[in-house]
Amino acid sequence: GQNIDQPTEMTATEGAIVQINCTYQTSGFNGLFWYQQHAGEAPTFLSYNVLDGLEEKGRFSSFLSRSKGYSYLLLKELQMKDSASYLCAVVSNDYKLSFGAGTTVTVRA
Amino acid sequence: ETGVTQTPRHLVMGMTNKKSLKCEQHLGHNAMYWYKQSAKKPLELMFVYSLEERVENNSVPSRFSPECPNSSHLFLHLHTLQPEDSALYLCASSQTSGSGANVLTFGAGSRLTVL
Repeated sequence: GQNIDQPTEMTATEGAIVQINCTYQTSGFNGLFWYQQHAGEAPTFLSYNVLDGLEEKGRFSSFLSRSKGYSYLLLKELQMKDSASYLCAVVSNDYKLSFGAGTTVTVRA
Repeated sequence: ETGVTQTPRHLVMGMTNKKSLKCEQHLGHNAMYWYKQSAKKPLELMFVYSLEERVENNSVPSRFSPECPNSSHLFLHLHTLQPEDSALYLCASSQTSGSGANVLTFGAGSRLTVL
């Protein structure tokens, strides 16, 4: 089976930086997604990495190391609206998408 | 509004009831999915339809029955459910080829409570 691990909860202060780590052990690899889900709302697409390195998109960046089976999502200049659950998901060899349990980020004033 | 609409948003049913969840997408996608989201657990893929054919059925109990009458609509028919089936049921759609392939667009979910 697929195994995707991420921390359950993280807390940070408004204006700070938070890094959410995701490690995976899957049957092959065809890309990694990060989604954001606010309470009671649909998960929304944040980023997609298939090659090693850093992808930057505004205040959010996502990093991938395929050799280490590791990714992180970096949230900079945190805002209250960034309080949400962040889901890591990996595409395996058969193009199936497997999700981690999500990391709940709480931003405090 | 993501372009994927789910109804109802909340549903309470007894174990002997029959109900259906509905999903509609306005994105022109050719694949649709049902996921189950339980607290503190990863999203569980239940069913996948690609070009209106079921291509995935992840050992889901027969008390859940999907239906995909066309590429824009997806249903999940529910009967004789158990309390442990209480969860958020998420519908998603995607394009299976081209730019943005396999990027899922989710609906807001249907919160199901089984008494």
